[in-house]
Amino acid sequence: EVQLVESGGGLVQPGGSLRLSCAASGFTFNSYWLNWVRQAPGKGLEWLATIKEDVSEKNYVDSVKGRFTISRDNAKKSLYLQMNSLRAEDTAVYYCARTGSGYPYYFDYWGQGTLVTVSS
Amino acid sequence: DIQMTQSPSSLSASVGDRVTITCRTSQTIRNYLNWYQQKPGKAPKVLIYGASNLQSGVPSRFSGSGSGTDFTLTISSLQPEDFATYYCQQVYSTPIFTFGPGTKVDIK
Repeated sequence: EVQLVESGGGLVQPGGSLRLSCAASGFTFNSYWLNWVRQAPGKGLEWLATIKEDVSEKNYVDSVKGRFTISRDNAKKSLYLQMNSLRAEDTAVYYCARTGSGYPYYFDYWGQGTLVTVSS
Repeated sequence: DIQMTQSPSSLSASVGDRVTITCRTSQTIRNYLNWYQQKPGKAPKVLIYGASNLQSGVPSRFSGSGSGTDFTLTISSLQPEDFATYYCQQVYSTPIFTFGPGTKVDIK
């Protein structure tokens, strides 16, 4: 069974940093692109970043470029999101999601999400 | 950047109703459009990929159509478990993805 489990969320002050993790199981981790998606309270979904299977390609939405870094450790079957210079508007539930192997691409599995609150 | 709109932003419907949600993109995306369902407190779940392909395990009352810039998600007979928020997603500009703003379907 495919599972994605996020961790690392919590309360952080504006300007602070946080590193989210997503532990994967039930599939060949190094064969899939992975993504981070967030959802602010009461708002819609926002795709943030994606990383290729072999780490050779990373892409970000403009709103987090230069502040957030996506990474992965294929040996540990884990995805990460390093978040720096956090702002109140970064408060959201953060999901990791797998890009499926079907075409056109779609996000076929999602984690349960981890809540990040940026507040003083 | 590809901009996305959904209409309506919310709707009220009754069990058994036929429900149609529209997604429009600012430029043509061929059939590179997916639909997701999200229930409160839960992660989204894919319903339709490639504009019209039903994801395995999704009830056949869900269907998708469209190509280019105009797309439709239809629920042929709304069931109690279908009350949720629905999002479209463009994957034409892969690996850059964009979600639509969402359509909330609630009980009339």
